[in-house]
Amino acid sequence: QIQLVQSGPELKKPGETVKISCKASGYTFTNYGMNWVKQAPGKGLKWMGWINTNTGEPTYAEEFKGRFAFSLETSASTAYLQINNLKNEDTATYFCARNMIYYFDYWGQGTTLTVSS
Amino acid sequence: DIVITQDELSNPVTSGESVSISCRSSKSLLYKDGKTYLNWFLQRPGQSPQLLIYLMSTRASGVSDRFSGSGSGTDFTLEISRVKAEDVGVYYCQQLVEYPFTFGSGTKLEIK
Repeated sequence: QIQLVQSGPELKKPGETVKISCKASGYTFTNYGMNWVKQAPGKGLKWMGWINTNTGEPTYAEEFKGRFAFSLETSASTAYLQINNLKNEDTATYFCARNMIYYFDYWGQGTTLTVSS
Repeated sequence: DIVITQDELSNPVTSGESVSISCRSSKSLLYKDGKTYLNWFLQRPGQSPQLLIYLMSTRASGVSDRFSGSGSGTDFTLEISRVKAEDVGVYYCQQLVEYPFTFGSGTKLEIK
């Protein structure tokens, strides 16, 4: 069955770097893009962007240009979200979600990131 | 960016009743291919979002026929009939007609 399994919770200090993984199984990884979605504590969903798993080309929402980077390890069917120079406001749960043409169908379980000094 | 607006429900809903959840877009979500790029998700407490409806009115695989979506280019409705306890959570609409793919702020459904 199709699954997206994300890495575990992270506790980081401001200024540090984090890399969150999203491992896909049950389908051909390079046939579907991967989205990343942020959910701050008690808040709604915010689309961060997506990565074309065939070409590796990322697309970022304006708010997430600069410190954020999407990457792939296609041999391991894994997508990554890296956040550099962490800030307190990066504290959130981050979801990966598979990209169908018209919708996001499968979602990871979410990775909780806490940034605190 | 396209702004998606969702209202709050005024009151908790009684099990077995029907409820409508509204969603408005600042721009038409009707694309030149004739499809309307509006999706609905349910996020149950502590869980990941689950796709309910895509392209405004198509039910996702495995979703109960108690859920239905309708609308025009800018105004949309999710109808839930015979509400059950398992329907509790936050309902989000999302547009995919242009970047960034914005979500509404969510509508929380509570059961009396």
